[in-house]
Amino acid sequence: DAGITQSPRHKVTETGTPVTLRCHQTENHRYMYWYRQDPGHGLRLIHYSYGVKDTDKGEVSDGYSVSRSKTEDFLLTLESATSSQTSVYFCAISEDRGAGETQYFGPGTRLLVL
Amino acid sequence: AQSVTQLGSHVSVSEGALVLLRCNYSSSVPPYLFWYVQYPNQGLQLLLKYTTGATLVKGINGFEAEFKKSETSFHLTKPSAHMSDAAEYFCAVHGSCNTGKLIFGQGTTLQVKP
Repeated sequence: DAGITQSPRHKVTETGTPVTLRCHQTENHRYMYWYRQDPGHGLRLIHYSYGVKDTDKGEVSDGYSVSRSKTEDFLLTLESATSSQTSVYFCAISEDRGAGETQYFGPGTRLLVL
Repeated sequence: AQSVTQLGSHVSVSEGALVLLRCNYSSSVPPYLFWYVQYPNQGLQLLLKYTTGATLVKGINGFEAEFKKSETSFHLTKPSAHMSDAAEYFCAVHGSCNTGKLIFGQGTTLQVKP
């Protein structure tokens, strides 16, 4: 299994509070991704990173920010959590971004915003 | 733009029966296609992928998928279902613009009855 951990694994928070999720990898892969999983939508890309301090938006980036100060860590921040951000969040990594490159997924973080 | 449609959000089969999970894609460029499996409370695991070459792709756990360009399909099959195959399955296509982004279908939950 790819060495990807996510923390916390479960979190309950209140509307309006900031939340930070962490993804840590031991594979030294350059590319990292944050997805959210919601019933009926599959997984949708929030943000991705193509190197330290290099990030870009995905298709559902509103209300989220990311940071990557080290190769191994990719942080996702919900600046002011809303109930619509209740979801399961997955981090993924890949060695390259070329077509056909496999992405490896972490175990996920379940976030409930009350 | 690329998209993926999985036909049937729930599929139920008897143990030992054929498994067929359907995936159709839309892509303006040659597609790179993936099937992932998600067991309860876990992350996604790659089953198989199609990049180029042979259109019949064999994956882990006895699964295989056939790329049919004329039908824009990439259906997943397994000749004989096992109880341990019960999980959610996602079809995905690699996004364009070389971002490495995966575009997922909505997912299909496979139930295996004894």
